[in-house]
Amino acid sequence: DAGVTQSPTHLIKTRGQQVTLRCSPKSGHDTVSWYQQALGQGPQFIFQYYEEEERQRGNFPDRFSGHQFPNYSSELNVNALLLGDSALYLCASRTGVGPSGQYFGPGTRLTVT
Amino acid sequence: AQKVTQAQTEISVVEKEDVTLDCVYETRDTTYYLFWYKQPPSGELVFLIRRNSFDEQNEISGRYSWNFQKSTSSFNFTITASQVVDSAVYFCALSDSLSSGSARQLTFGSGTQLTVLP
Repeated sequence: DAGVTQSPTHLIKTRGQQVTLRCSPKSGHDTVSWYQQALGQGPQFIFQYYEEEERQRGNFPDRFSGHQFPNYSSELNVNALLLGDSALYLCASRTGVGPSGQYFGPGTRLTVT
Repeated sequence: AQKVTQAQTEISVVEKEDVTLDCVYETRDTTYYLFWYKQPPSGELVFLIRRNSFDEQNEISGRYSWNFQKSTSSFNFTITASQVVDSAVYFCALSDSLSSGSARQLTFGSGTQLTVLP
């Protein structure tokens, strides 16, 4: 049974570009959350998707957007990249009413130059 | 607003010593969940424990133990007889209460870098 998977593992982008990160939830899970972890800090909640809709959003600008597909996988899109967007992006999944916090993916390391 | 404070930024111990990582939280919810994670240099968050707000029993799992005290809003984590492989960043986190369509987002502390020296 595969856990949460994320792609790509690493990514280097230039300031001003756009990036798309992908997440496949653990089998049986229908809810996906995204977190940003800057170097030396704890993860910060970006948003959560359930039933293909954004259900809650953290304190992130509209440059951060997402999508959830019918198979429950999800994408995180970041437009107009800034140097400060360099971080580890983590995806977490759960069932709609299940326990949260136990299933995280390995993350995507984004570097903006 | 929810908040998690890990006042210890870095801790260094010698192998076989016991070490306690502190976590203090703030929430207005009466039902909530507390977590501890380990993050080795590879970056993946490793889930260690989840505790709900109604269960104040301390828990022991091998060399790990957790002390949850609602009266002081603390959820401390102790590693007994530390080993070099315990070296990592440890995060405490808080999850909001379950409600209809609840996001159950996690609020993380800033982490404690634990270094266990041989």
